[in-house]
Amino acid sequence: KAGVTQTPRYLIKTRGQQVTLSCSPISGHRSVSWYQQTPGQGLQFLFEYFSETQRNKGNFPGRFSGRQFSNSRSEMNVSTLELGDSALYLCASSFSGVSSYNEQFFGPGTRLTVL
Amino acid sequence: SQQGEEDPQALSIQEGENATMNCSYKTSINNLQWYRQNSGRGLVHLILIRSNEREKHSGRLRVTLDTSKKSSSLLITASRAADTASYFCATDAVRMDSSYKLIFGSGTRLLVRP
Repeated sequence: KAGVTQTPRYLIKTRGQQVTLSCSPISGHRSVSWYQQTPGQGLQFLFEYFSETQRNKGNFPGRFSGRQFSNSRSEMNVSTLELGDSALYLCASSFSGVSSYNEQFFGPGTRLTVL
Repeated sequence: SQQGEEDPQALSIQEGENATMNCSYKTSINNLQWYRQNSGRGLVHLILIRSNEREKHSGRLRVTLDTSKKSSSLLITASRAADTASYFCATDAVRMDSSYKLIFGSGTRLLVRP
């Protein structure tokens, strides 16, 4: 099985711009989660999508949004970029059945730099 | 706020030695997972231990879980230079609708010197 893929791998934007990141989960996985990783805050949960619905959300401002398509691919959008949004954005997929004992498989991440 | 805190923040050992990392968390969990991250790259799942388990092994990895102390430890035996990475514990936070998110600790940076 192919792993989780994220595009693009690197991105440079300027303050005020908006950005869209993409994540393709492992085939058959219906849950996609997004995480932000920064040196100061560590790994923080952004949101989770399951069957095209946002099921869970972390404590991030409304500038951060996402969506999931019928093929389980997910996109994350950040509007009005700020310098502090510079981070590694990680996507993870899991089968996410009823049980919570689901291993999450992570993609390589998208490195976003905001200038 | 982060659920897990890891100790030590950084660890430097000689190849062949054992490395022990500890993780503490704050609330009840269903399971605890350990991940490895090589410099600025994606996370690799190492091992999952359920709340009703006390110890688990996978190759050179040994994980223990003490739910009464809300703590876990990861032991890497006979370390290799390739084990150099950051290690994170992650606990789940399950909601009534079965939605799922991981809360990560701050990580331990392990350096294995050849």
